[in-house]
Amino acid sequence: GAGVSQSPSNKVTEKGKDVELRCDPISGHTALYWYRQSLGQGLEFLIYFQGNSAPDKSGLPSDRFSAERTGGSVSTLTIQRTQQEDSAVYLCASSLFRDSYEQYFGPGTRLTVT
Amino acid sequence: TQLLEQSPQFLSIQEGENLTVYCNSSSVFSSLQWYRQEPGEGPVLLVTVVTGGEVKKLKRLTFQFGDARKDSSLHITAAQPGDTGLYLCAGRTFDAGGTSYGKLTFGQGTILTVHP
Repeated sequence: GAGVSQSPSNKVTEKGKDVELRCDPISGHTALYWYRQSLGQGLEFLIYFQGNSAPDKSGLPSDRFSAERTGGSVSTLTIQRTQQEDSAVYLCASSLFRDSYEQYFGPGTRLTVT
Repeated sequence: TQLLEQSPQFLSIQEGENLTVYCNSSSVFSSLQWYRQEPGEGPVLLVTVVTGGEVKKLKRLTFQFGDARKDSSLHITAAQPGDTGLYLCAGRTFDAGGTSYGKLTFGQGTILTVHP
């Protein structure tokens, strides 16, 4: 595809369940970022991947959050034992290189925890 | 923790008016970006400013980076209903090695509504 894609677009889950969010970056982009956007906190950085490595995980809010990237491409963000405060839009972005200014965002996954 | 204070949070104006959105911080950023976001979509990059004092123009939009690289502004001339949306400023910081990469710190955003 031409842009960053994310799935699912919407996810409703019960408190305590685990969820997986997927990001397909633009082909050939080496850097991948996850952000979270919520009404109270705005847009916050979660984790950065360079290739399959995550040199910066400083934004992950708790150990219930984890992410991986495989084949230098697809990334999955996993939230275990979801809580209501996890409700937000999770955005993925990719860029060609680590220091590229152009960062392309996907449409996001809206997560609602009931 | 680097913070970006963006103001105003909400802006409701009539078509043809001018407006300015501000983004301020006590921290130095290696670069400042402005994004626009539509409902249900991810942010789209409008401009990147890198040099202190830099001014960039994009049609009716003028972006400025402060001399000390701590603040930025977005000015829209003769706003149109098509300018309606969420505007976000975002800064890139330096890592421990003195270089920067794409990790962004975002302001809280400005919701702009332009009435016909």
